[in-house]
Amino acid sequence: GESVGLHLPTLSVQEGDNSIINCAYSNSASDYFIWYKQESGKGPQFIIDIRSNMDKRQGQRVTVLLNKTVKHLSLQIAATQPGDSAVYFCAGNLQGAQKLVFGQGTRLTINP
Amino acid sequence: SQTIHQWPATLVQPVGSPLSLECTVEGTSNPNLYWYRQAAGRGLQLLFYSVGIGQISSEVPQNLSASRPQDRQFILSSKKLLLSDSGFYLCAWSARGPYNTEAFFGQGTRLTVV
Repeated sequence: GESVGLHLPTLSVQEGDNSIINCAYSNSASDYFIWYKQESGKGPQFIIDIRSNMDKRQGQRVTVLLNKTVKHLSLQIAATQPGDSAVYFCAGNLQGAQKLVFGQGTRLTINP
Repeated sequence: SQTIHQWPATLVQPVGSPLSLECTVEGTSNPNLYWYRQAAGRGLQLLFYSVGIGQISSEVPQNLSASRPQDRQFILSSKKLLLSDSGFYLCAWSARGPYNTEAFFGQGTRLTVV
């Protein structure tokens, strides 16, 4: 089966610095990955996704990197802002499956 | 545009009472539907998912059940709640198709069993 986990439960960064949140997955058959942001008391919001035929994808201030060799993906947030404070989840989907498996999340805290 | 509605937002129920949480999706047809539970400070655990009316897959053995009486309606139920059923319940949908796509979440229901 698939499991998706995170290296660190919490991450503190200075406002304006770049943030890097890491995630590992176990099943090499996973072919689709998503990063979500969850603010307190709300449902997760989609940030960015990446398919296994890519190793990098960029959005507005965010970049996702996928390393299939070591089954690792990361989310990079450029110039972190106070509004980026949230819990970030990675999620993976097995090829042909209809369900997303989530990691435990990383709480990102921004220091002024 | 597609929207997902989940209610109620908060619920306090006594142990042993029944539960019914409802989720509806608008603006799309034949969605995949999901129920997740999130314990405080933890990740999201997939409870049930459905690829069509009456088709329910259960991911973990538990005190809960799910039903999909209509294409865009997904219901989470329990006959008798346990204290351990407390948590944040999230409904989500994703588009059906040959490629996996992102899931869109509702705002959640915070259930407290007392």
